[in-house]
Amino acid sequence: GAGVSQTPSNKVTEKGKYVELRCDPISGHTALYWYRQSLGQGPEFLIYFQGTGAADDSGLPNDRFFAVRPEGSVSTLKIQRTERGDSAVYLCASSLMGLASHEQFFGPGTRLTVL
Amino acid sequence: QKEVEQNSGPLSVPEGAIASLNCTYSDRGSQSFFWYRQYSGKSPELIMSIYSNGDKEDGRFTAQLNKASQYVSLLIRDSQPSDSATYLCAVNRDTGRRALTFGSGTRLQVQP
Repeated sequence: GAGVSQTPSNKVTEKGKYVELRCDPISGHTALYWYRQSLGQGPEFLIYFQGTGAADDSGLPNDRFFAVRPEGSVSTLKIQRTERGDSAVYLCASSLMGLASHEQFFGPGTRLTVL
Repeated sequence: QKEVEQNSGPLSVPEGAIASLNCTYSDRGSQSFFWYRQYSGKSPELIMSIYSNGDKEDGRFTAQLNKASQYVSLLIRDSQPSDSATYLCAVNRDTGRRALTFGSGTRLQVQP
């Protein structure tokens, strides 16, 4: 079946602007995660949804970052007043609940560049 | 000390050899361990998961876990040039918190 999809694949914006990044998880996966990855580093956790609610948002760096998942499927990561330091690849992952629930499958990512 | 440590490499091995990739983690409460492969410009791809001490084999890949030593490794047998990538070790610290903590990755180069 289809994997995790993310749009857009690339986003270039100016400092101070607002951006939205979208993630569509694997069908049937109830858990959804956002990570971001800077060059030469491993992905860094941002937020985890179980269903519609954010079960763990401890990785969000500050209040400019917010994410929603209103119907328990598609999620949107929202970044206000973007800064150059927000430039990174934003990765979405999804997983099942159950015995193999810890296995997370990543989408292709959105490369965000803040000028 | 980083929570998950990996040698950045590059680790260079000849085609057909065994590549050995290592990872140590700091949290003794860690429950689940994963290896992801990441090609340049692509997203991480899950290749192995391991939850209990010992070895787990899947094709040319073997994951090894030693919780007492806080050590997890990945062996790739009969390495191919197509295995050249960055290998990321990821750890889930406890069953209640599902976030993965990643190492910075080891770059593997398989020389034809």
